[in-house]
Amino acid sequence: AQSVTQLGSHVSVSEGALVLLRCNYSSSVPPYLFWYVQYPNQGLQLLLKYTSAATLVKGINGFEAEFKKSETSFHLTKPSAHMSDAAEYFCAVITYNTDKLIFGTGTRLQVFP
Amino acid sequence: DSGVTQTPKHLITATGQRVTLRCSPRSGDLSVYWYQQSLDQGLQFLIQYYNGEERAKGNILERFSAQQFPDLHSELNLSSLELGDSALYFCASSVENQRGIDEQYFGPGTRLTVT
Repeated sequence: AQSVTQLGSHVSVSEGALVLLRCNYSSSVPPYLFWYVQYPNQGLQLLLKYTSAATLVKGINGFEAEFKKSETSFHLTKPSAHMSDAAEYFCAVITYNTDKLIFGTGTRLQVFP
Repeated sequence: DSGVTQTPKHLITATGQRVTLRCSPRSGDLSVYWYQQSLDQGLQFLIQYYNGEERAKGNILERFSAQQFPDLHSELNLSSLELGDSALYFCASSVENQRGIDEQYFGPGTRLTVT
């Protein structure tokens, strides 16, 4: 069975600091991996996705993630946090023989001035 | 704005009742997915329809059912409601069934409160 684990339910950073949100996956077959962001009282928005092309994936709002097969990881980073990045972030996986997204438990990012 | 619409935005009802949540996918999207987000279960996949047919099932209770109509809108029916069914229900849609490559666009959700 496929799954993702997000380490840290809450992450706090100062504005301008590096953002690092961790995601590890478990899959017996090559996975497709996604990061979604959820702002308060809104739906989910796709930040970026990995679909077996380049291992470093660039997304919207300055975020990027690197697929590391050896570490089964797909951590999300942003060099410099902005106040508007405060939200909940979800890592998700789909394997090629299913259509359902399997989500991690989410990481709430707080950004302090 | 993702282009996926969901109605109603909020729904408050009593235990034992039945409700219907409606989703209109983005224009041209054939697949519709339903997800439930609750504090204790997190985000869970419920069910997927593709061009009117059920394609995949997740952790959907027998009291819940869904359908996709010829105009591609979808409805999620929840019956014999329990307090634990209180959650945010999301609909998502994608262009076509390319097995995991297509982005799923999420609607704003329907917040269901069962009292």
